[in-house]
Amino acid sequence: EAEVAQSPRYKITEKSQAVAFWCDPISGHATLYWYRQILGQGPELLVQFQDESVVDDSQLPKDRFSAERLKGVDSTLKIQPAELGDSAMYLCASSLRDRDKNEQFFGPGTRLTVL
Amino acid sequence: AQRVTQPEKLLSVFKGAPVELKCNYSYSGSPELFWYVQYSRQRLQLLLRHISRESIKGFTADLNKGETSFHLKKPFAQEEDSAMYYCALNREGRALTFGSGTRLQVQP
Repeated sequence: EAEVAQSPRYKITEKSQAVAFWCDPISGHATLYWYRQILGQGPELLVQFQDESVVDDSQLPKDRFSAERLKGVDSTLKIQPAELGDSAMYLCASSLRDRDKNEQFFGPGTRLTVL
Repeated sequence: AQRVTQPEKLLSVFKGAPVELKCNYSYSGSPELFWYVQYSRQRLQLLLRHISRESIKGFTADLNKGETSFHLKKPFAQEEDSAMYYCALNREGRALTFGSGTRLQVQP
């Protein structure tokens, strides 16, 4: 069964360092999402892509976060420089373009710890 | 702006007892509501959606637009139902807005 893949699964870094996370969505899924989940809270959207275009990045802290999906397939989320408050689980999800079949499938997440 | 509220962080019941996980939402349009579940050491996955109006693993949820609620119910809890449950709202094909989640603990 096809699944969303993410790497790395865990990342420990020091503040002010740069980190990058990778996501490979389910084949054929045009829509890709990056969510951030702080401990004890639900996931919150950082950025949504439709193919290679950004649909919604209103909650992305653009001074330090960037995201790209150059060929409309896999995606990278980068943080530079990392801050203590960035410690969280970063989830990637994907879905079909069809609004009637828009179930979002989630990856296992990358747990980031900033020291 | 849309918001999803799950008032209980933890719900603990005994096996065989009824379960109701509460979810309230605020949204001015016509929302699509979901319940997602995360079992221990597994990824977040869809449990059910209101438009399907179906029962999954014995769980049901009815959208009450008057009370802006989408409570998740099961008549007889099983130990394997122990998990983290998230209510979520989807607006017009955009990203999900999640509640803060409720941990369901089913004791033997």
